Amino acid sequence: DTEVTQTPKHLVMGMTNKKSLKCEQHMGHRAMYWYKQKAKKPPELMFVYSYEKLSINESVPSRFSPECPNSSLLNLHLHALQPEDSALYLCASSRPGTANEKLFFGSGTQLSVL
Amino acid sequence: AQKITQTQPGMFVQEKEAVTLDCTYDTSDPSYGLFWYKQPSSGEMIFLIYQGSYDQQNATEGRYSLNFQKARKSANLVISASQLGDSAMYFCAMRGDNTNAGKSTFGDGTTLTVKP
Repeated sequence: DTEVTQTPKHLVMGMTNKKSLKCEQHMGHRAMYWYKQKAKKPPELMFVYSYEKLSINESVPSRFSPECPNSSLLNLHLHALQPEDSALYLCASSRPGTANEKLFFGSGTQLSVL
Repeated sequence: AQKITQTQPGMFVQEKEAVTLDCTYDTSDPSYGLFWYKQPSSGEMIFLIYQGSYDQQNATEGRYSLNFQKARKSANLVISASQLGDSAMYFCAMRGDNTNAGKSTFGDGTTLTVKP
């Protein structure tokens, strides 16, 4: 099983809503990532979890709150988002650590903030 | 700091022909990995090929090969016998051993269109 599964695939939310994005992998990977991607742009790293602990936060606004409940699951909690937060949110996983570890990506959640 | 440069925003290729997508990089890490990912319009990023900085031979994966020239700091992707399904955005990326665990640097991408 080499899949990273993200739900939902599409999400529309108002600026006062609270929602969550979910990501799951069963490859035994101990590093999991959230990326934000605008159309025709490269993905931008938001958060990295290594062994279920937050290891990198790329100065992401607090309206985005990550959570890693166990080694297979990664959530991104959304609250009071702005229209400019509309983007494709990609989850990825890998074995942690060295330079030769490729990323396995999910198919993403397309988020629209109204 | 790491930097990836992809100078071709868009490329066109005729079906069944070969195409080269350019990638140059800069890093202070002595050990690093170079990756190519494909992103179709569906959105999922798909790993294509990897080259380690100490690998002596160029990497190959089926129709994909990586033309690695370390002295020139280039890692070009060659796709042979292009197919219509190769139409997608392609990202060059790198990871270094001395950077924070998990940081991959991506280039701006090249949109490849395969013509029938």
